[in-house]
Amino acid sequence: KNEVEQSPQNLTAQEGEFITINCSYSVGISALHWLQQHPGGGIVSLFMLSSGKKKHGRLIATINIQEKHSSLHITASHPRDSAVYICGISGGSNYKLTFGKGTLLTVNP
Amino acid sequence: GAGVSQSPSNKVTEKGKDVELRCDPISGHTALYWYRQSLGQGLEFLIYFQGNSAPDKSGLPSDRFSAERTGGSVSTLTIQRTQQEDSAVYLCASSLGPGQGNAGELFFGEGSRLTVL
Repeated sequence: KNEVEQSPQNLTAQEGEFITINCSYSVGISALHWLQQHPGGGIVSLFMLSSGKKKHGRLIATINIQEKHSSLHITASHPRDSAVYICGISGGSNYKLTFGKGTLLTVNP
Repeated sequence: GAGVSQSPSNKVTEKGKDVELRCDPISGHTALYWYRQSLGQGLEFLIYFQGNSAPDKSGLPSDRFSAERTGGSVSTLTIQRTQQEDSAVYLCASSLGPGQGNAGELFFGEGSRLTVL
């Protein structure tokens, strides 16, 4: 079993819909990361969080340490949000990150 | 530079040849990571540097893979006697190290796409 599991693997939405991507992990962590990778593009760090909630524009990330679960929400989704969203955890002092396999999001106009 | 720089962006090589991939991290970032992303797969951890030392090499898939970092800056990932299964995008990331502000936030390079024929 992978240390980091994401769901769903694939998600298709219509423009304007509210999107939720989930990440569950099985070990204690020091931080959780959400990354975005556009097709053929580079990887961008969206959030790093260890508790509570963070918001940046239309993106919101939450984490529940007790339940070992995080969610990434996108409000008022747009076709430019189409990308792979990757969850990663760091569990030790060396900040090594272990990643999930990613969620491919497609937002249709 | 402004971001993490990797070279070459694309490399096509023949099976059995050696390749070197280079990563130039953000200035001042003491932590440097190498990851590998195969087609349709997730990010696979290869090695982590803190300064010039590598406290975690657990992800290197075989002894054909090695990496070094000099001057706490540029890192080189070397793959000897390449095999077809080595074909992947090799990604480098850097971050501020332990004890530095906002340590842990990763900044990725664009990757080096390796194709072994």
